Amino acid sequence: GAGVSQSPRYKVAKRGQDVALRCDPISGHVSLFWYQQALGQGPEFLTYFQNEAQLDKSGLPSDRFFAERPEGSVSTLKIQRTQQEDSAVYLCASSPYGPSGRGITATDTQYFGPGTRLTVL
Amino acid sequence: KQEVTQIPAALSVPEGENLVLNCSFTDSAIYNLQWFRQDPGKGLTSLLLIQSSQREQTSGRLNASLDKSSGRSTLYIAASQPGDSATYLCAVKPQTGANNLFFGTGTRLTVIP
Repeated sequence: GAGVSQSPRYKVAKRGQDVALRCDPISGHVSLFWYQQALGQGPEFLTYFQNEAQLDKSGLPSDRFFAERPEGSVSTLKIQRTQQEDSAVYLCASSPYGPSGRGITATDTQYFGPGTRLTVL
Repeated sequence: KQEVTQIPAALSVPEGENLVLNCSFTDSAIYNLQWFRQDPGKGLTSLLLIQSSQREQTSGRLNASLDKSSGRSTLYIAASQPGDSATYLCAVKPQTGANNLFFGTGTRLTVIP
């Protein structure tokens, strides 16, 4: 079956431009996560959706970052007025489970997309 | 805040060697711990998931152990192959509260033919 897909795979933006990154989760997955991975670092949490509800946005680094998942499936991460420090790989992950049920054993995992590499010049 | 550390940051070994990657975390109140593999330009692939009540998980040449009380996990790779070359990431999920994963910075493994 299809996994998590992300588009575009690569994005180059001039400083100050707005960008929109798309994530298509696995069909039927309740939870959706966005992570930011800087070069040589591990992914860091940005925001979490359960269906269409954004339950946690504590990881968003500034108010220039905005995410939505209006119909509980596809999600978009928008970055306004991009800065050089926004350059990173943005990873999307989905999971079948919501926060109230943490799932069971090996099925309780997050499935990651290939990421979007954003370069801000 | 949960802090996850991985040692070493990079490792280079000849083909056929057995090796151990280390992961430590500061808050022992975890729900599970996962080991992921990341190839250049690609997303993360889950290798092994250990629930907090478990001590280890095995998949083929991979064995992951968990000592929750001491905040440590190890990933053992037997008879390494060049195809094992990748970055290995450890991640923990909290027992309560946040639903996201907390990742280490990874160990970049190179297996030399």
